[in-house]
Amino acid sequence: GIQVEQSPPDLILQEGANSTLRCNFSDSVNNLQWFHQNPWGQLINLFYIPSGTKQNGRLSATTVATERYSLLYISSSQTTDSGVYFCAVGNTGNQFYFGTGTSLTVIP
Amino acid sequence: KAGVTQTPRYLIKTRGQQVTLSCSPISGHRSVSWYQQTPGQGLQFLFEYFSETQRNKGNFPGRFSGRQFSNSRSEMNVSTLELGDSALYLCASSPRTSGGFTDTQYFGPGTRLTVL
Repeated sequence: GIQVEQSPPDLILQEGANSTLRCNFSDSVNNLQWFHQNPWGQLINLFYIPSGTKQNGRLSATTVATERYSLLYISSSQTTDSGVYFCAVGNTGNQFYFGTGTSLTVIP
Repeated sequence: KAGVTQTPRYLIKTRGQQVTLSCSPISGHRSVSWYQQTPGQGLQFLFEYFSETQRNKGNFPGRFSGRQFSNSRSEMNVSTLELGDSALYLCASSPRTSGGFTDTQYFGPGTRLTVL
């Protein structure tokens, strides 16, 4: 299967700070999504981004498929951004390979 | 549109029992996938169903099985439960065209299974 590495594993930020989360993957993919897992366990879609750049409010993401990595940017972080962020990739049907996540804590 | 729904949300079973979890996809979505999340192994793919056929299967023992009905609702079954089956089970749905290209996946809230 595809190996997915996320960094950093843990991140603590002051409210208002910016951050960059990274996802490296070991094979070519045609599906890449970023998720935020809320405290109750549900995975919330952030971006479907197998290539290119997208922005949604304070969040943006860039995937460079040829170099096998994706970045998630969070600007002006808020306490509600706390949680675990997952990168998931796939290249066969809808089978996803997940990274181990980045646990983000935003302190007021 | 209503999101992906999963029932039950919480379940407690004892070793050796079997359990059935249910997932209703977003209306119009034909693909349903199941994942297991544990602290030790993270999120792992179980299987995917499309038009009532299993399309992909992850590396899990035969005790884990599933099916999909004509209305795209899906169930997964775990027989002879073991302590290690305690996990959050997540279901995802996507439109998935017959061309087989990957689509955005939408996850349900999960079923938290505890095996005692």
